Amino acid sequence: DAGVIQSPRHEVTEMGQEVTLRCKPISGHDYLFWYRQTMMRGLELLIYFNNNVPIDDSGMPEDRFSAKMPNASFSTLKIQPSEPRDSAVYFCASSSRKGFWANTGELFFGEGSRLTVL
Amino acid sequence: QKEVEQNSGPLSVPEGAIASLNCTYSDRGSQSFFWYRQYSGKSPELIMFIYSNGDKEDGRFTAQLNKASQYVSLLIRDSQPSDSATYLCAVNEGYSTLTFGKGTMLLVSP
Repeated sequence: DAGVIQSPRHEVTEMGQEVTLRCKPISGHDYLFWYRQTMMRGLELLIYFNNNVPIDDSGMPEDRFSAKMPNASFSTLKIQPSEPRDSAVYFCASSSRKGFWANTGELFFGEGSRLTVL
Repeated sequence: QKEVEQNSGPLSVPEGAIASLNCTYSDRGSQSFFWYRQYSGKSPELIMFIYSNGDKEDGRFTAQLNKASQYVSLLIRDSQPSDSATYLCAVNEGYSTLTFGKGTMLLVSP
């Protein structure tokens, strides 16, 4: 079975440019998470969706960040305008409600999108 | 805000030794605890979870939980060079999300 698919794997852009990261969750999973990982702050939750609806976006750093999930098989994280401090690895992860209620806590992560803003 | 603390390491152990990784958490209401392994340049993957006080063993891995002390640990017996990775401790937030520690880097030398 295909895992969580993210694109692009690497993105190098200049400050001020718009960046769009994409994610396809595992089919049948009803939770989708966007995390950001840096050496300084570790793995931080930005936003998560349940059944395509945003549930908690309190981790989104500022208004420059936005996320959408138009359907069960696709989500985007957009940064506009981008800044050098946004440089990080952005992970998308998905899980199933059944899994969480069973409390396995297993998030299935994509390979990540490494963003560098110059 | 919930906090999960880990020593960043690196923790260096020789091949065949026991590696002990530790984690403390701030929220006494936390109920579920997880260990993820992350190889350099890769994504995190779940290796162990524990809900009850005491020990839980899975092969060479043992997770230990002490809720009174708000302490979780992971023991890796007979450490192998392939165990070299960063180990992330995670704690549930409600039923939907996890809060991760920054991770401990483990280096196993041949």
